[in-house]
Amino acid sequence: QSVLTQPPSVSAAPGQKVTISCSGSSSNIGDNYVSWYQQLPGTAPKLLIYENNKRPSGIPDRFSGSKSGTSATLGITGLQTGDEADYYCGTWDSSLSAGVFGGGTKLTVL
Amino acid sequence: EVQLLESGGGLVQPGGSLRLSCAASGFIFTSYAMSWVRQAPGKGLEWVSGISSGGSTYYADSVKGRVTISRDNSKNTLYLQMNSLGAEDTAVYYCAKTGGYISSWWGDWGQGTLVSVSS
Repeated sequence: QSVLTQPPSVSAAPGQKVTISCSGSSSNIGDNYVSWYQQLPGTAPKLLIYENNKRPSGIPDRFSGSKSGTSATLGITGLQTGDEADYYCGTWDSSLSAGVFGGGTKLTVL
Repeated sequence: EVQLLESGGGLVQPGGSLRLSCAASGFIFTSYAMSWVRQAPGKGLEWVSGISSGGSTYYADSVKGRVTISRDNSKNTLYLQMNSLGAEDTAVYYCAKTGGYISSWWGDWGQGTLVSVSS
């Protein structure tokens, strides 16, 4: 059981928008920045969003992040078939003094 | 360009030990915290351990007491010594460079090294 809670799967049609939620607690999301990762099949995870809502260079602005209280959200607009992947939220847990991830969300672009 | 190259994975018997290495290049190694993250077959990401730029170490409860993280700044290399391995430790182990401090994001990842624990 993961410390952070994500929906197992989401789906939407090409060109549409999807959001992925990540729920935690006061010791992790509530106290630290959230980051998001994309993992394409058979590859290493890739950073999409850091410090709640910042995008590394090279990440298109179709990807966005937000945080409110003990929850965070990843948004993806203009969905493409190439966006089909597993998405993970991550943060630090101040009580555990450990990194924590969500269980992952599989995005299907129908 | 940041490069992280893990090595040391393989097949090990239950109760055995293994040392993973991560050779880093393309950035000032001494300035960054580093972490190990693993992924069991068909499962999600699990943070395993982290080490600050100053050498402070952190561990997940699932590995505490069995795993030791270390770094050799003269060799730009991160290590993970794993002892008393069990089937639950079977996973791809990724080395990850943080955004700076231990509690920041994991910005760059290696390609991973597979650890299989089986008799």
